[in-house]
Amino acid sequence: GENVEQHPSTLSVQEGDSAVIKCTYSDSASNYFPWYKQELGKGPQLIIDIRSNVGEKKDQRIAVTLNKTAKHFSLHITETQPEDSAVYFCAAGPMNYGGSQGNLIFGKGTKLSVKP
Amino acid sequence: EAGVAQSPRYKIIEKRQSVAFWCNPISGHATLYWYQQILGQGPKLLIQFQNNGVVDDSQLPKDRFSAERLKGVDSTLKIQPAKLEDSAVYLCASRQLRHTQYFGPGTRLTVL
Repeated sequence: GENVEQHPSTLSVQEGDSAVIKCTYSDSASNYFPWYKQELGKGPQLIIDIRSNVGEKKDQRIAVTLNKTAKHFSLHITETQPEDSAVYFCAAGPMNYGGSQGNLIFGKGTKLSVKP
Repeated sequence: EAGVAQSPRYKIIEKRQSVAFWCNPISGHATLYWYQQILGQGPKLLIQFQNNGVVDDSQLPKDRFSAERLKGVDSTLKIQPAKLEDSAVYLCASRQLRHTQYFGPGTRLTVL
């Protein structure tokens, strides 16, 4: 089955710096890679996702890159702000063209701290 | 649009007791998921429903966990009897076809 490894487990940056979180996956059948942000006491919230037919996707200060050959994908946050502090999870799983989604396997999370 | 609702938010029980969690998904979302999130880890899927049918329950410990979604809307997850290792946050999520999963706030279960 799918296995997702996420690094680092903790990351501390100064406000305004960039943060990068990396994940690897094992199952070639996975073609959908979402990233979630989880704040204390709340459920995970999707911040960006990418499918295997593209190599990069950007949304304002957040970008995700995917290398299918190496089976890894990364989250990039630029110009970090204190409100970016949270736990970030990557996930991998199958999604067919009809939109049905299979089991998402989550990484163990990265606790990001942005210091003002 | 209202989000995924879960109750209770917190529950403390003794081991071997029973507990039930309730989830009300976003209106119109046919797919509903229950996840277990142990402290320091990512969510792990327990069961997935499509309307009122089970799509995937391969990781549900069926000797003690059960879940139902009788009318294809609300869902309940039950643990009977609870063990210490069941202490976790239980997350419910729902989605429409071709859209992402939306998570509820979770129920934090502590088993003493």
